[in-house]
Amino acid sequence: EVIMAQSPVTLSVSPGESATLSCRASQNIGYGLAWYQHKPGQAPRLLIYGASTRITGVPDRFSGSGSGTEFTLTISSLQSEDFGIYYCQQYFDWPPWTFGLGTTVEVK
Amino acid sequence: DVHLVESGGDLVQPGGSLRLSCAVSGITFSTYEMMWVRQAPGKGLEWISFISYSDRSDSTVYYRDSVQGRFTISRDNAKNSLYLQMDSLTVEDTGIYYCASTLTIFGVVSGFDHWGQGTRVTVSS
Repeated sequence: EVIMAQSPVTLSVSPGESATLSCRASQNIGYGLAWYQHKPGQAPRLLIYGASTRITGVPDRFSGSGSGTEFTLTISSLQSEDFGIYYCQQYFDWPPWTFGLGTTVEVK
Repeated sequence: DVHLVESGGDLVQPGGSLRLSCAVSGITFSTYEMMWVRQAPGKGLEWISFISYSDRSDSTVYYRDSVQGRFTISRDNAKNSLYLQMDSLTVEDTGIYYCASTLTIFGVVSGFDHWGQGTRVTVSS
């Protein structure tokens, strides 16, 4: 099973600033990585797949990068609606499809 | 618009059973592979089960180890519905259960692109 590790656990950011979230896989997963945004009481939202391809409708302030075992999600100029929990997920080696434990992006 | 609506969550005693349903609209359901994902209280997202396109006996299904043999995923393409039969429930099965459709790129599941709001399952005596 591929273990996904996310850091930091919590990121405190002021609106307008940028945020950098990290995700590390326990083995090489190529570009088989997706990022999700999840807010309490809401359905999770797929933001990015293929490590860097944004889903249609996702603002371009969200960008993903990386390959192999190291991945990054960058949110530039954070808006109020961007606060929430972000999960990375690998889909290279399955089953199981595995998620990281999440990074909470909160208002500083 | 795509809508996935889960139902069937409830309070149940350890050892009990529940059947979750997920009603899907806005997509051609029979062309989407489907997943169940759960979130335990205070925890992250955890994949539970997968089912391929077919709703016949030849469909491909997968389960995480902790639910293998206790949970059964199924679908009815004529009713645009996904199901999860959960038996021998334990307190560790407590959580919010989400159904999700898959984004498939060149035949590979590349993410879960549409999700429901979830249904709450509480296993407690």
